[in-house]
Amino acid sequence: GIQVEQSPPDLILQEGANSTLRCNFSDSVNNLQWFHQNPWGQLINLFYIPSGTKQNGRLSATTVATERYSLLYISSSQTTDSGVYFCAVGNTPLVFGKGTRLSVIA
Amino acid sequence: GAVVSQHPSWVICKSGTSVKIECRSLDFQATTMFWYRQFPKQSLMLMATSNEGSKATYEQGVEKDKFLINHASLTLSTLTVTSAHPEDSSFYICRAGGDGYTFGSGTRLTVV
Repeated sequence: GIQVEQSPPDLILQEGANSTLRCNFSDSVNNLQWFHQNPWGQLINLFYIPSGTKQNGRLSATTVATERYSLLYISSSQTTDSGVYFCAVGNTPLVFGKGTRLSVIA
Repeated sequence: GAVVSQHPSWVICKSGTSVKIECRSLDFQATTMFWYRQFPKQSLMLMATSNEGSKATYEQGVEKDKFLINHASLTLSTLTVTSAHPEDSSFYICRAGGDGYTFGSGTRLTVV
């Protein structure tokens, strides 16, 4: 099956810093999503981005489908950005990477 | 938007007992339900896929007799963890699909 690799596995940021999270996938996909899992376990859908670039406030994402990777940018990080960020591809089923655990410290 | 209600949010049960987790699609018909499990600090792993009215399809390594899935209606699917043991302690989350797909809020199960 399709493989999804995320990097870095862990990241500690000072509040206000910027960061880039990466997701590599092993096969062409027609669906790629980024999720934020909060401390209570809820999965918040950040982006549906099989290709191209999208922005939502301080977050933006770019997927280069031909090169099989996606990037999630977080600018001016806040403590509320802490949690785990997952990249997931496919649809039925959705296959998750192992996530990037982000800690933003004040 | 599409909402999936998952209950309970958390549950503690004694070893050897069974626990039922429900996922209800509130405003759409969920023809397909995916059940995921997430161990602490790990990723979400698909356990099984069920289509309304059909038997669930389990992923390799998931015991179908231990994790009973019922999807008898288009708005309700249940996952029953039978004879739970401490190693079943995990976060369980459903994903319901109709025209689109929506996650439930998850259930944290602790078996003591």
